[in-house]
Amino acid sequence: AQKVTQAQTEISVVEKEDVTLDCVYETRDTTYYLFWYKQPPSGELVFLIRRNSFDEQNEISGRYSWNFQKSTSSFNFTITASQVVDSAVYFCALSAFSGSARQLTFGSGTQLTVLP
Amino acid sequence: DAGVTQSPTHLIKTRGQQVTLRCSPKSGHDTVSWYQQALGQGPQFIFQYYEEEERQRGNFPDRFSGHQFPNYSSELNVNALLLGDSALYLCASSSRGYATNEKLFFGSGTQLSVL
Repeated sequence: AQKVTQAQTEISVVEKEDVTLDCVYETRDTTYYLFWYKQPPSGELVFLIRRNSFDEQNEISGRYSWNFQKSTSSFNFTITASQVVDSAVYFCALSAFSGSARQLTFGSGTQLTVLP
Repeated sequence: DAGVTQSPTHLIKTRGQQVTLRCSPKSGHDTVSWYQQALGQGPQFIFQYYEEEERQRGNFPDRFSGHQFPNYSSELNVNALLLGDSALYLCASSSRGYATNEKLFFGSGTQLSVL
């Protein structure tokens, strides 16, 4: 079975601070995909990034960066110089084979609050 | 370019009733997936439709059923509602069939309350 664990239920930071959201995953599949989605109060999940299991290069997009480490089964997400608009629930997700079909499994999410 | 649209936005039902939720995918997308998100939890996969057929199904009972129409829009039906069915129901669309490694576009969801 596959599993995604986001141990941080809630994080609160002050604007301009850096913050890292942790994600640990479990799968027996050797070819899998990892995602981060953002869910603002409006409800819709917004895609942020997708990485496949063969690409361990870290990625930076503006104030966002992602650190993928297969050795520790982690795919952590860092926001640099956080802003109030970054306040949302962030979900890590894993697409991997479980049984006979590829399934997409979400973690339970991390509520990030950025205070002005 | 309209994104994923869902209707209604909110719904209140009583136990034992039946409900139908609707979803129109993003323009150019042919695959629709449905997710249930309980309060404080991540989305749980219900099922996925492609070419008007259910292609994959998560761990949900047969009370949950769906349909996809020729224009790619979809419905989620839940029969014999239980209190535990209260949740945000999210629709997501994608292209390229039922691969789950694709980027998903989500609607804002239907908040279902069962009393």
